[in-house]
Amino acid sequence: DVKVTQSSRYLVKRTGEKVFLECVQDMDHENMFWYRQDPGLGLRLIYFSYDVKMKEKGDIPEGYSVSREKKERFSLILESASTNQTSMYLCASQEDSDSTNYGYTFGSGTRLTVV
Amino acid sequence: AQSVTQLDSQVPVFEEAPVELRCNYSSSVSVYLFWYVQYPNQGLQLLLKYLSGSTLVKGINGFEAEFNKSQTSFHLRKPSVHISDTAEYFCAVSRTGKLIFGQGTTLQVKP
Repeated sequence: DVKVTQSSRYLVKRTGEKVFLECVQDMDHENMFWYRQDPGLGLRLIYFSYDVKMKEKGDIPEGYSVSREKKERFSLILESASTNQTSMYLCASQEDSDSTNYGYTFGSGTRLTVV
Repeated sequence: AQSVTQLDSQVPVFEEAPVELRCNYSSSVSVYLFWYVQYPNQGLQLLLKYLSGSTLVKGINGFEAEFNKSQTSFHLRKPSVHISDTAEYFCAVSRTGKLIFGQGTTLQVKP
């Protein structure tokens, strides 16, 4: 089974800190995604990547950036954390866009609290 | 633009009763549709998906969904729920390979 591992389950950071959320997948998937999950809003796409060193903005990229230096690792960066970025962050991987599978494999999530 | 609407934010139901979680989508092109489940403190797990073919799709844990193109719906059903089905359920539609999710429906199964 594909595994998507998010390095932290819970994080507490201070306002203004630079925060790194790490995600690693072990099945050579091409595509990786970062979502945030908030009650009543579902999952909203922050950034995604279809290849190493490639990144594209999703629906809510403001205040975030990403890095994909290696195929298996996709990092989400909060340049200067703010309280409105308190949320559950979910990473997902996908084999590729042409695969008839289309399914995502999700990590367990990182619950970030910014104080 | 594609979007997904889950019509109920919470669905309370007694154990062994049937349940339907409603999902409507908007799209001007052919779609791929998904249902995911999220148990407490976990990531999302795929329940089932519709890519093509039969409009009735069977998934894991006894769930099934029916794709209705004319009503642009993809409702999730289970004939008899268990306490262990208590979770949040997300409907999603594909957009150029990316998934767009609905707001989620919390299924609360009561004994």
